[in-house]
Amino acid sequence: EDQVTQSPEALRLQEGESSSLNCSYTVSGLRGLFWYRQDPGKGPEFLFTLYSAGEEKEKERLKATLTKKESFLHITAPKPEDSATYLCAVQGYKAAGNKLTFGGGTRVLVKP
Amino acid sequence: SQTIHQWPATLVQPVGSPLSLECTVEGTSNPNLYWYRQAAGRGLQLLFYSVGIGQISSEVPQNLSASRPQDRQFILSSKKLLLSDSGFYLCAWSASEGGNLGNTIYFGEGSWLTVV
Repeated sequence: EDQVTQSPEALRLQEGESSSLNCSYTVSGLRGLFWYRQDPGKGPEFLFTLYSAGEEKEKERLKATLTKKESFLHITAPKPEDSATYLCAVQGYKAAGNKLTFGGGTRVLVKP
Repeated sequence: SQTIHQWPATLVQPVGSPLSLECTVEGTSNPNLYWYRQAAGRGLQLLFYSVGIGQISSEVPQNLSASRPQDRQFILSSKKLLLSDSGFYLCAWSASEGGNLGNTIYFGEGSWLTVV
């Protein structure tokens, strides 16, 4: 069974204070690892897909990296608008219907 | 471009009443469709997924059911709601083609259900 664990559960940052979020996973053959951003009361918004160890992707102040056991989402010089819950999910080769298994998320609060 | 619509956005229902949440996808054909539930402050739990009309797979035994009467329409239902059915329900879609690369799942805006 695919499993995803995210840490920390919550993160409070000062504006400009860089940090990293962790996503540890176990999956029977990784087809893709996904990062989403979710604002309160909204559906998750897709950020990145990573397919193989060593891959990196960037979008504005966010950078996602992938190893064989975990992924990191680095937030560089965050701004208050980066406050959100960040969700990590995996899709395995055995996942019927391309379904995703999600972690519990990391709630990020960036204070000005 | 593809869009996903989900309604109603918010509803308050008494215990024992029926439920119907609807979702439609535009701009794609034969998508995979999903219903997820998110309890307050928790991660997403997959409830149902569908790879085609009339094809429904259930992930968790529960008080809910799903139907796919048309290619791009997905409905979540209950005959009698329980208090434990309260939560944030999300419809989602992905392209149906397989292959070695993962297929991104895109979410709707969600429906808040409060059972009282």
